[in-house]
Amino acid sequence: GPKVLQIPSHQIIDMGQMVTLNCDPVSNHLYFYWYKQILGQQMEFLVNFYNGKVMEKSKLFKDQFSVERPDGSYFTLKIQPTALEDSAVYFCASSLARDYAEQFFGPGTRLTVL
Amino acid sequence: GDSVTQTEGLVTLTKGLPVMLNCTYQTTYSPFLFWYVQHLNEAPKLLLKSSTDNKRTEHQGFYATLHKSSSSFHLQKSSVQLSDSALYFCALSDLGTNTGKLTFGDGTVLTVKP
Repeated sequence: GPKVLQIPSHQIIDMGQMVTLNCDPVSNHLYFYWYKQILGQQMEFLVNFYNGKVMEKSKLFKDQFSVERPDGSYFTLKIQPTALEDSAVYFCASSLARDYAEQFFGPGTRLTVL
Repeated sequence: GDSVTQTEGLVTLTKGLPVMLNCTYQTTYSPFLFWYVQHLNEAPKLLLKSSTDNKRTEHQGFYATLHKSSSSFHLQKSSVQLSDSALYFCALSDLGTNTGKLTFGDGTVLTVKP
């Protein structure tokens, strides 16, 4: 079936550095999402992106976070600067439609901020 | 805001026995309910979904019925297999979000023993 890829699978960085998480969504999908999962906790919505714009963001989507998808390439989540509490697994998802549509998830990027 | 509750964090069963994983939700709007399954080191995948009250939906031997009167969408299987060992997430979306974002429960780890 359709697959979402995420690069890298693991990333370790020092607090204060910038990090970019990359997502290669399903090719014909239009809606893109980032979710955050801290170890042992539930997966939480960060942001939704459609037609080149952020549609909705949660309280977890701090000012240090940004997303973009330039020219149909990777859908990226950038954190600048990183903080210790940003350590988590970040899941990218994409869907063809919005309401009641299946979201296809990537395997996640495990981010560790030291 | 929306919320999803999964009461069991860990369920351990012997192969061949039936299972029910509980999921209840809260939302102000008309709900869309999903069950996602995540096997070890893999991406979460959609198992089944529903938006129709009192209609059973089935996939790969698993089934669930959305009951709006009790705000529940419990996942069931009549005979679990070793390959069913995984993490199961219940998730909620609704027409009020306008973005299709998912609200997840904490997840239930199902372990099936021989």
